[in-house]
Amino acid sequence: DVKVTQSSRYLVKRTGEKVFLECVQDMDHENMFWYRQDPGLGLRLIYFSYDVKMKEKGDIPEGYSVSREKKERFSLILESASTNQTSMYLCASSSPLGGGSPLHFGNGTRLTVT
Amino acid sequence: AQTVTQSQPEMSVQEAETVTLSCTYDTSENNYYLFWYKQPPSRQMILVIRQEAYKQQNATENRFSVNFQKAAKSFSLKISDSQLGDTAMYFCAFMKDQAGTALIFGKGTTLSVSS
Repeated sequence: DVKVTQSSRYLVKRTGEKVFLECVQDMDHENMFWYRQDPGLGLRLIYFSYDVKMKEKGDIPEGYSVSREKKERFSLILESASTNQTSMYLCASSSPLGGGSPLHFGNGTRLTVT
Repeated sequence: AQTVTQSQPEMSVQEAETVTLSCTYDTSENNYYLFWYKQPPSRQMILVIRQEAYKQQNATENRFSVNFQKAAKSFSLKISDSQLGDTAMYFCAFMKDQAGTALIFGKGTTLSVSS
């Protein structure tokens, strides 16, 4: 089974802090994704990466950046955390073998910015 | 741009009953994939079912089946013989037929199954 591991289940940070959310997958997947989940809004794509050092903006990239130095690891960075970034963050990975490859998700990181 | 709409924010059903969750989508693509994911209180997103748009046959997985109406751009999920463990948030999602693309999600339906 694919395993996608997010380093923290809960995180509390202060406004203005630089925050790193880490995600590691063990299935040699090329594609990795960061989503944000908010009540009533569903999951919204922040950034994704289809290869090492490659990244693409999703629907809500403002205030975020990402890093993919190794194939198995995809980091989401909040350069200066703000209270409106309090949310659940979900990482996912998928195989690039054709279209329709399901995404495999981590357990999520619930981030609170105070 | 593609959009996915789930019009039922919350639903409830009794154990052993059947429930249908609605999903509509908008796209100009001809080939694509549709998914239903389940998110129980544990927060783990679990793939429930996957449908390929070029296949007319509706996908089924045990007690879960879909009613895929391509012309109407509708993709509903039917859960038969509902169980307490089916209590979760359910997300409908769309994916273009292109390697490495992301899922576009609806806003979700919270399903409560009671005894």
